[in-house]
Amino acid sequence: NAGVTQTPKFQVLKTGQSMTLQCAQDMNHEYMSWYRQDPGMGLRLIHYSVGAGITDQGEVPNGYNVSRSTTEDFPLRLLSAAPSQTSVYFCASSPGAYYGYTFGSGTRLTVV
Amino acid sequence: QQPVQSPQAVILREGEDAVINCSSSKALYSVHWYRQKHGEAPVFLMILLKGGEQKGHEKISASFNEKKQQSSLYLTASQLSYSGTYFCGTEKNSGYALNFGKGTSLLVTP
Repeated sequence: NAGVTQTPKFQVLKTGQSMTLQCAQDMNHEYMSWYRQDPGMGLRLIHYSVGAGITDQGEVPNGYNVSRSTTEDFPLRLLSAAPSQTSVYFCASSPGAYYGYTFGSGTRLTVV
Repeated sequence: QQPVQSPQAVILREGEDAVINCSSSKALYSVHWYRQKHGEAPVFLMILLKGGEQKGHEKISASFNEKKQQSSLYLTASQLSYSGTYFCGTEKNSGYALNFGKGTSLLVTP
């Protein structure tokens, strides 16, 4: 049982490049979310999904896209990387309401 | 909208108690508490549900005042292992993701 797996662990991008952060869970969780963590800002919600085919925006969605074609996978796409997107990104999943979230180990992204 | 946590930072000696508060301007469905060690992912501590039911798995307690839209995390007889950053997360209803506060840094010293 791997839990929530995020890849890559580290990534350096040039401004304007695009990339996809991968997130996969093997716990059959319905709820999945993406957060970014910056010093002093806590965990800010980017996008989330409450089931396959259902996604919604969080508080900081600009510059990011998501899709949820399967229960297991919830990739986060950076369309055109900017230095302001330098951050640590966490994916998290939960069975649903009433339950806690399990977090992946994070992706540290640097945009130069 | 992010809930507000207080205090921002706490330094304790081993064995001392601490309280961390979390408040929201909106009606809440549930409140979650997480702890994050430096360089690691947040780890779920407990969830408090509207109606008073509490779920958790650690020897740390919490309360949830639905009318005031506030929650408090109580760490008693603190241990060195309690050091880390504590986050509260709030759900406004079923079908929504968690919104987290900015965190409270807790340092327990010998």
